[in-house]
Amino acid sequence: DVKVTQSSRYLVKRTGEKVFLECVQDMDHENMFWYRQDPGLGLRLIYFSYDVKMKEKGDIPEGYSVSREKKERFSLILESASTNQTSMYLCASRTGTGGAETQYFGPGTRLLVL
Amino acid sequence: AQSVTQLGSHVSVSEGALVLLRCNYSSSVPPYLFWYVQYPNQGLQLLLKYTSAATLVKGINGFEAEFKKSETSFHLTKPSAHMSDAAEYFCAVSDQTGANNLFFGTGTRLTVIP
Repeated sequence: DVKVTQSSRYLVKRTGEKVFLECVQDMDHENMFWYRQDPGLGLRLIYFSYDVKMKEKGDIPEGYSVSREKKERFSLILESASTNQTSMYLCASRTGTGGAETQYFGPGTRLLVL
Repeated sequence: AQSVTQLGSHVSVSEGALVLLRCNYSSSVPPYLFWYVQYPNQGLQLLLKYTSAATLVKGINGFEAEFKKSETSFHLTKPSAHMSDAAEYFCAVSDQTGANNLFFGTGTRLTVIP
């Protein structure tokens, strides 16, 4: 079974702090994704990566950056956390680029920015 | 551009009753369609997907969905609801571009009444 793990289930940070969210997958998937999930808005794509050191902006990249130094690890960085970044963050991975391929999700990190 | 609309942000059914969760899609090309489920405090798990083979797709936990091109719909059904079906359900469509990313609906929270 594919396993996607996220470094923290819950995080509390202060406004202005730099925040790192880590995601690791164990199935050698080429593609990895970061979403945020907010009530009534569903999942929105922040960034994705289709290869090591490659990254592409999703629909809402402002205020975020990412890093992919190794194939299995994809990090989301909040350079200066703000209260409007309080949300649930979900990481996913997928093999290949075919539209029929399944994305596999981690358990999520619930971030509270005070 | 691809998009999905989930009608009804909250649906309540009695235990043993039919579950019907609605999803309509918009796509300029033949779509790939997905239903994911999210149990409380967990990530998303694939229920089923349509990849242009059979129009009636069977998934896990007794769920199924029927692709209807004429109605641009991909509604999720289960004949008899169980208490364990209480969760949030997301419909998603693949964008069929080079990246083949997913576009998610806003979700439907299912409550099962004993």
